[in-house]
Amino acid sequence: EVRLVESGGGLVQPGGSLRLSCAASGFTFSDSWMHWVRQGPGKGLVWVSHIKNDGSVTTYADSVKGRFTISRDNAKSTLYLQMNSLRAEDTAMYYCTMSFDSWGQGTLVTVSS
Amino acid sequence: DVVMTQSPLSLPVTLGQPASISCRSSQSLVSSDGDTYLNWFQQRPGQSPRLLIYKVSSRDSGVPDRFSGSGSGTDFTLKISRVEAEDVGVYYCMQGTHWPPWTFGQGTKVEIK
Repeated sequence: EVRLVESGGGLVQPGGSLRLSCAASGFTFSDSWMHWVRQGPGKGLVWVSHIKNDGSVTTYADSVKGRFTISRDNAKSTLYLQMNSLRAEDTAMYYCTMSFDSWGQGTLVTVSS
Repeated sequence: DVVMTQSPLSLPVTLGQPASISCRSSQSLVSSDGDTYLNWFQQRPGQSPRLLIYKVSSRDSGVPDRFSGSGSGTDFTLKISRVEAEDVGVYYCMQGTHWPPWTFGQGTKVEIK
């Protein structure tokens, strides 16, 4: 059974940083493209970032480019999202997803003073 | 970026009756490989998104056959043949042909009359 478990969310002040993690199991992580998708309170789904299976290619939404960094550790089957210079508009539930086939339960990030 | 436009945004339905959601893209979603990367997701209240349909019309594993997808080019439709109580939630279309970014529709809220 595919399992994706996000962690690392929380309350952070504007300008602060957080690192999200997504622990994967039940599939061959090193073969899979991975994505982060976020959902603001009462809002729709927004794609944030993607990383190719071997980590050689990463892409970002314009709204997070230069502030967020996606990475992965295939030996640990874990996906990461380093978020810097956080803004109020980054407040959202952050989901990791394996090629949009399977999704985690999400981790909530709140940016507020 | 490809803009995905769903209609209606709210869909009250009667149990046992059919329902239909439209999704239009701002450009053709036919890929250079000949496939069309248009997915449909269901998000029940308080839950993570779930993949229902991929590549326009292929149902994901475990998805009831009352859900069907159709369309081509820029016009796509998700149909529920007979709505059940468990179908309440928000439905999103998403394109994966012209990336980055992967883009979602605004979402259609399905509720029981």
